Amino acid sequence: EVQLLESGGGSVQPGGSLRLSCAGSGFFFFFQDFDMNWVRKVPGKGLEWVAGIGSTGDSKYYRDSVRGRFIISRDNSQNMLYMQMDGLRVDDTAVYFCAKSPPADCTGHSCYALQFFQHWGQGTLVTVSS
Amino acid sequence: DIVMTQSPDSLAVSLGERATINCNSSQSLFYSSNNKNYLAWYQQKLGRPPKLLFYWASTRESGVPDRFIGSGSRTDFTLTISSLQPEDVAVYYCQQYFATPHVTFGGGTRVEVK
Repeated sequence: EVQLLESGGGSVQPGGSLRLSCAGSGFFFFFQDFDMNWVRKVPGKGLEWVAGIGSTGDSKYYRDSVRGRFIISRDNSQNMLYMQMDGLRVDDTAVYFCAKSPPADCTGHSCYALQFFQHWGQGTLVTVSS
Repeated sequence: DIVMTQSPDSLAVSLGERATINCNSSQSLFYSSNNKNYLAWYQQKLGRPPKLLFYWASTRESGVPDRFIGSGSRTDFTLTISSLQPEDVAVYYCQQYFATPHVTFGGGTRVEVK
C-alpha cells in the first residue's frame, strides 16, 4: 500500500517562506518510478494543482500563480518530495497535498505522462496571514 | 487553461435514490489516437484527502463500489451514484488531464442526504 506523509506546514506572514516535505513508502512502491505533484485545497474553494515533477527530477511544472516563487524537487534515494515556498501570499493559504501520478501511458515506443492522482497524503496546512 | 464547470454546486438526495453530478469542459477531452477521454473523478470527505474514483472518464478505480458510474465524452461528463448511501456524503470533483501537466479541477459538488 502506498503511503505519503506530508510535513512542514505552518503559519507565516506574507512574504515568508516554508519548505514542505513528503515521504513516500509502501510495498512494491518504487518512488523513483513515478511523477509526483503538489495539489492544494483552498478554504472555501476547490482543488488546485500547484506543481509537478517527473520521475527523474529533470522535468518540473508549475501553475502560473506560483512560478518563480515555489520550487519543487525530489530525492529519490530518500523517497522524498519537497516544495520550497518563498514570497508566500495570503492567497497561498491552503491544505497542501502530496499526490502521486499513475505510471506513464506507454504504447509502442512512446510513453506519455498521466496527470491524475491515484494516491494522496493526508495534507499539511499552510496559513499566510499578517 | 481548460475550464471545468460542475453542476449543481450541491444536491441533497434521499438514501437509496440516485444522485447525478455534471461536469463540462471548455474544450474536448477526447484524444482520437487512443479513443480515450482524459477525465478523472474524485471524492473528498470532510477532513480527508481526495480519493480517486474514475479515470478515462469511466474506468473505476479498484475498490470503488459499482453504485458509482462515470460516463460521458468530449466535453460533457456525468458521475452517477445509483443508490445513495450514508458514506457517500462528500464533495465530488472532476479533473481534466488532457492538458497535462497543466491540469484543472471543477469547482466541486457537495452531496448530502435529504
